[in-house]
Amino acid sequence: LAKTTQPISMDSYEGQEVNITCSHNNIATNDYITWYQQFPSQGPRFIIQGYKTKVTNEVASLFIPADRKSSTLSLPRVSLSDTAVYYCLVGGSGSARQLTFGSGTQLTVLP
Amino acid sequence: SQTIHQWPATLVQPVGSPLSLECTVEGTSNPNLYWYRQAAGRGLQLLFYSVGIGQISSEVPQNLSASRPQDRQFILSSKKLLLSDSGFYLCAWSVTSVLYNEQFFGPGTRLTVL
Repeated sequence: LAKTTQPISMDSYEGQEVNITCSHNNIATNDYITWYQQFPSQGPRFIIQGYKTKVTNEVASLFIPADRKSSTLSLPRVSLSDTAVYYCLVGGSGSARQLTFGSGTQLTVLP
Repeated sequence: SQTIHQWPATLVQPVGSPLSLECTVEGTSNPNLYWYRQAAGRGLQLLFYSVGIGQISSEVPQNLSASRPQDRQFILSSKKLLLSDSGFYLCAWSVTSVLYNEQFFGPGTRLTVL
């Protein structure tokens, strides 16, 4: 199973772009990369998912290099409400099983 | 639209007492269902998942058990709670598909074992 490694915490200021990188050296061929956001006392919320290159939605962008051994979640122009824990997950298609979320990255946006 | 419910929202139980947490999903059929636990300041730990009625897979050996008596109902139980069972319990569902689909989480149950 692919294990992920993320920074424990990051600080940023309002209006800045934030990039959170996740390492997944043992990613398998059929694994997708998914990012979730979690606020205190709430369940995680899906942000974005990708397989390779770049994926963008209304919330974030996900950059995946050709070797897929890492990925970077990019949050444009963060606000105070983006303060949360961000989790990177790697999982295979066709499987109901989910990997452990891990400790994630605590992003704190400062005014 | 799909919704997921969990109850109770909070629970305080003495050590050695039984536990029953319930999760129901509306608006979808044959979902994959999951139970997670999150200790304070930690990530989510997958406890059980189910791909269908009566089909339960356990990820972590412990004094907890899960059951799926109906398609959209998932129950987490314990006969005797331990102090270490305290935490934030989350139920989630996903669509059964060939693709790696996102999971949708419920509001959670905050369990305190004293």
